Amino acid sequence: GQNIDQPTEMTATEGAIVQINCTYQTSGFNGLFWYQQHAGEAPTFLSYNVLDGLEEKGRFSSFLSRSKGYSYLLLKELQMKDSASYLCAVMDSNYQLIWGAGTKLIIKP
Amino acid sequence: GAVVSQHPSWVICKSGTSVKIECRSLDFQATTMFWYRQFPKQSLMLMATSNEGSKATYEQGVEKDKFLINHASLTLSTLTVTSAHPEDSSFYICSAPKTSGREPYEQYFGPGTRLTVT
Repeated sequence: GQNIDQPTEMTATEGAIVQINCTYQTSGFNGLFWYQQHAGEAPTFLSYNVLDGLEEKGRFSSFLSRSKGYSYLLLKELQMKDSASYLCAVMDSNYQLIWGAGTKLIIKP
Repeated sequence: GAVVSQHPSWVICKSGTSVKIECRSLDFQATTMFWYRQFPKQSLMLMATSNEGSKATYEQGVEKDKFLINHASLTLSTLTVTSAHPEDSSFYICSAPKTSGREPYEQYFGPGTRLTVT
């Protein structure tokens, strides 16, 4: 079967750095997405990786290793507004998104 | 960026009634739209793929007669929850992929509809 694993919850301090990991096993691979979702709102796009390596976008970076079925989202200079759930999703060979359960990130002052 | 709207943003209905949720792509055409359901503290669960001009494709375990999907035009898809029951109370989100642009296959999400069935 297909599955995406990511930690359920993480806690970090304002101003610090946090890394959210995601491992996946899917039938085929057409890219990995990270989305941010605040409570009661729809997800918003953060990043897309289809090739191995690191993609940097401001305070957020995303890394992919296809051979290991592994990705991480790195958040730097954490702000209180970064408190949200972070969803990892993989697009399989049928171009369908397989979603992880999300990681709830709690930022403390 | 692309915008997808949903209407209504929240609805409360009585058990046994039907509720229609609209999903519109505002500045691009979407031949495909996705309907998700999300229960509290859980991830998105794909319910069905809505295809303009043809029948929707439902995920395993989703009752097609209960969740009616109509993709009437390139900018509008509707989800009707028929004979709603309290267990149908959830957050319903639609999305549309935009295959052009820098990020292929990126999905643009609507703001979601909170359905509460009493």
